[in-house]
Parts: sequence; C-alpha cells; structure tokens
Amino acid sequence: QKEVEQNSGPLSVPEGAIASLNCTYSDRVSQSFFWYRQYSGKSPELIMSIYSNGDKEDGRFTAQLNKASQYVSLLIRDSQPSDSATYLCAVLQNNNAGNMLTFGGGTRLMVKP
Amino acid sequence: NAGVTQTPKFQVLKTGQSMTLQCAQDMNHNSMYWYRQDPGMGLRLIYYSASEGTTDKGEVPNGYNVSRLNKREFSLRLESAAPSQTSVYFCASSDSPGQPQHFGDGTRLSIL
Repeated sequence: QKEVEQNSGPLSVPEGAIASLNCTYSDRVSQSFFWYRQYSGKSPELIMSIYSNGDKEDGRFTAQLNKASQYVSLLIRDSQPSDSATYLCAVLQNNNAGNMLTFGGGTRLMVKP
Repeated sequence: NAGVTQTPKFQVLKTGQSMTLQCAQDMNHNSMYWYRQDPGMGLRLIYYSASEGTTDKGEVPNGYNVSRLNKREFSLRLESAAPSQTSVYFCASSDSPGQPQHFGDGTRLSIL
C-alpha cells in the first residue's frame, strides 16, 4: 500500500503567524498533489493543487512541491482563526485501483486569537 | 449550483439491516467515488466509477456494493449492516480519475 503521511497535530499557531503543514508520500512517480481543508463536521474542500516542483501561490496559501524528496507542503500566511480546520493532503498514485487519489490522515490546525 | 448531493444526511440502522446511500452530481463529471472517513484513518476509497457503466473496487470494498445508475447518480448499498460500518460516508466526483474531486456533505451512519 502506497502511503501518504501527515502529522496529525494539532498544530497550534498564533493569529497572524505562518502555519506550515507537511506531507510525505511513498510513490516516486506521483504527478498530482492536492490540499483539502475540512472543517469539523463538514466535507473536504479543495484549496490548492500543484503538479510541478517549486512553489504555487494563491492568496494567503502557498503549496510547495519537492518530488526528489517526496514531500509537499502548504504554507498559510497571516493565519486567521477561521483557518482552524483539518488539512488533508491527497496524492495521485497508481495502485491496485488504478490512478487514484490517496489521502493522508490530515493535520489539525488551530489558530489562536 | 448544488454540486454533489448526498441523501440521507443521517441514518441509524440495526445490525443486519440493509440500506442504500444516494449520490447525485450536476457538474457533468465522468468519475464518481465513495469514501468512508473514520477518526484517525483519513478518507478510504470504497468503490469508484471511472465513467458511466463501469465500477471498480477501492481500498475497502468488503460489505458494500455500488450502482452507477447513470452519469449523474452513483449509489452505495450495505446489504447487511455491521457495527464496523459505522462511519461518515462521502461521495465525490471529478472530470476523470486524476482530476481534483468535489465532495458531497456526507452521510453520518450509525449501526447499533
């Protein structure tokens, strides 16, 4: 089973700080990577996708991908209490079910006012 | 724009009962998925349908069946519910298996 690993947290940061969320994956040939945000009791919501090495910025969010080291990260600048949620990393991997998204267990982020 | 709609939102069953979870999407997506989410386990794929007329097993298919009724609808059936199937079930859809998936609001299922 190809793995996608995340620290479950909680990661606690003060309001206005940068939150850094990390994800490692085992399948070296993975090409597509996604970050989802899930508020408690709600469904996952896509916030970022990244396909090439380097950084991709969207507002306060930056996704970083390093395929050689097999990790992808999400930076949230100027963190707000409304960013408090669980963040799920998803990696497109080839497994017994074909090319499918494999989700990490999620990192719970808490932004304190 | 409803996106992905799941029914019911909540359900309590007794062990051995059967039920069908319904999912419909209005985004003209080709691919649809069923996941379960348990505390500490993340999202695990139960079954998926890459395109209308096809269905395939995911990571945890035992105890479930699915039907891709048409391009819009993908149902999940529990034939004989077991307490281990207590979970939150999410339906999702995407243009193709490699594209970002959009999720429904989930069905919270408890089996006593």
